[in-house]
Amino acid sequence: KAGVTQTPRYLIKTRGQQVTLSCSPISGHRSVSWYQQTPGQGLQFLFEYFSETQRNKGNFPGRFSGRQFSNSRSEMNVSTLELGDSALYLCASSENQNTEAFFGQGTRLTVV
Amino acid sequence: ILNVEQSPQSLHVQEGDSTNFTCSFPSSNFYALHWYRWETAKSPEALFVMTLNGDEKKKGRISATLNTKEGYSYLYIKGSQPEDSATYLCAFINPNDYKLSFGAGTTVTVRA
Repeated sequence: KAGVTQTPRYLIKTRGQQVTLSCSPISGHRSVSWYQQTPGQGLQFLFEYFSETQRNKGNFPGRFSGRQFSNSRSEMNVSTLELGDSALYLCASSENQNTEAFFGQGTRLTVV
Repeated sequence: ILNVEQSPQSLHVQEGDSTNFTCSFPSSNFYALHWYRWETAKSPEALFVMTLNGDEKKKGRISATLNTKEGYSYLYIKGSQPEDSATYLCAFINPNDYKLSFGAGTTVTVRA
């Protein structure tokens, strides 16, 4: 069974630009969550999608958005990038809300 | 925002020694607690999903206990090996919205 795949693995963007990150969950998993990790911080929850609907949202500004497609693949978009958006963005999929999450290897975003 | 705290932040262990560390979470209205291991350059990997007060789970030399009444879980590593070096994360599931709230982690370094 293929694991969670995130693309790209690394990304360098300039302030003010926008970026789209992609996540392909494990086959059969309908829940996809996104997290941000910055140095010294734990994993900060961004949002969760289930069957194409955003089910939960963390405390991030509206510049952070996402969506989920009918095949459960998910994308995350960050507009008007700021230096502070530089982070590791992790995606995780699970069968449902109370089962273990399977994480991708993350996208390392650097904003310059 | 739920307060999930892990202590200590880091610890160094001699190979062969046993160790343990703590995850504290809100004790009211418990749903589930997850433990993950995050090795450098890899994805977080689920260790345990704990749902019942008094739960004890074991995987090889690693085990975990859960006390939902007082709001803590312990993770134990018996006979630490260098391959146990990783950051161990606990995550509390908010019963109101089922979001995973992660602690900042305990980073374990096992010295040969």
